[in-house]
Amino acid sequence: GEDVEQSLFLSVREGDSSVINCTYTDSSSTYLYWYKQEPGAGLQLLTYIFSNMDMKQDQRLTVLLNKKDKHLSLRIADTQTGDSAIYFCAEPYNQGGKLIFGQGTELSVKP
Amino acid sequence: NAGVMQNPRHLVRRRGQEARLRCSPMKGHSHVYWYRQLPEEGLKFMVYLQKENIIDESGMPKERFSAEFPKEGPSILRIQQVVRGDSAAYFCASTSGSRYEQYFGPGTRLTVT
Repeated sequence: GEDVEQSLFLSVREGDSSVINCTYTDSSSTYLYWYKQEPGAGLQLLTYIFSNMDMKQDQRLTVLLNKKDKHLSLRIADTQTGDSAIYFCAEPYNQGGKLIFGQGTELSVKP
Repeated sequence: NAGVMQNPRHLVRRRGQEARLRCSPMKGHSHVYWYRQLPEEGLKFMVYLQKENIIDESGMPKERFSAEFPKEGPSILRIQQVVRGDSAAYFCASTSGSRYEQYFGPGTRLTVT
């Protein structure tokens, strides 16, 4: 089936770490993605991880993948007010090109 | 290198009119995907096109919606006889064929009055 699940809201204080979680369904997915959407804007590809990796780090971003539990997380270190946005995880459907998106997690960063 | 371009950014149509949404992929990209984002929802796949071919239209409503990607020019998503439920943000994404990097345009926000 096609179902990517995310919690809807997360609120953190500036300088703290944020962890956004996602569960997916297709165990054969070769890549998993994180996108960021600011108000009124399109989606910005933040990072992606290959399914043969457990972890990927890119500056303040750390992606963790647990294939056994089909769980993906995005950690943002030293969260800033500019990180306030909606974050979507996505997986390709049935190894094809189209992406299945979660509902998005709205991250609110308080000063 | 210009990113994915979409126009118009905002479109207002009355019920029953036609809406035409355009998407120019990134330079060098020949694959285009259209997604729709309804208010308070995530993105839902609509259609996947390559130049002059529809590859996957499994997410397209059966009636009133059509898409094309001609040999020359942008990809067009066409909605005939729009209804209020068509009000949404429509995004296109492009890729070179390496499926792990889809780049999105800024979207067209369609409002049907």
